[in-house]
Amino acid sequence: AQSVTQLGSHVSVSEGALVLLRCNYSSSVPPYLFWYVQYPNQGLQLLLKYTTGATLVKGINGFEAEFKKSETSFHLTKPSAHMSDAAEYFCAVSASGSARQLTFGSGTQLTVLP
Amino acid sequence: DVKVTQSSRYLVKRTGEKVFLECVQDMDHENMFWYRQDPGLGLRLIYFSYDVKMKEKGDIPEGYSVSREKKERFSLILESASTNQTSMYLCASSGLAGLAKNIQYFGAGTRLSVL
Repeated sequence: AQSVTQLGSHVSVSEGALVLLRCNYSSSVPPYLFWYVQYPNQGLQLLLKYTTGATLVKGINGFEAEFKKSETSFHLTKPSAHMSDAAEYFCAVSASGSARQLTFGSGTQLTVLP
Repeated sequence: DVKVTQSSRYLVKRTGEKVFLECVQDMDHENMFWYRQDPGLGLRLIYFSYDVKMKEKGDIPEGYSVSREKKERFSLILESASTNQTSMYLCASSGLAGLAKNIQYFGAGTRLSVL
């Protein structure tokens, strides 16, 4: 079985400040990890993914995440928030390695303050 | 670009009605999924399909059924809609090879209200 915990259902940052969204997972086998973003009234869009190899993963829109096996974490960061980053962010894990079954966290709503 | 199209953005139905939600993908993906999204609960998998005419239950299949007669189309059916099925429904697809491997691509969602 696999699960995902996103700490903080709502996060607010000022424009230009660091964005840090937390994700911890549990998986009985090596995980594949994903971050998705959902803008209002839209579907989910892939930000980045970790499968194997380099543990620091770079995604779109300046986001990156680091896979830390010892901490079972996959936190999402961006050095400088932009107003357009306001959205809901979902962390997901696939233990099967095929994306056949993704388990999603409950989501974090990011607000960017001017 | 991968395109996953859900037939309706908004639907309003009455309790007891039979409801069809349609999803079409244009990337020849093998896998297709139906999720429901509720505030504070994230996305929960209802059903998925890994081939034509094949289906598997997800985490919350009760009250739903699915149909996949063609590779590109995956339908979610509410046999007798109830108010607790008011939700956002998201369809996704993923492929087994190439750049699409291991990535689920999502439609824009259907917001269903059952009155």
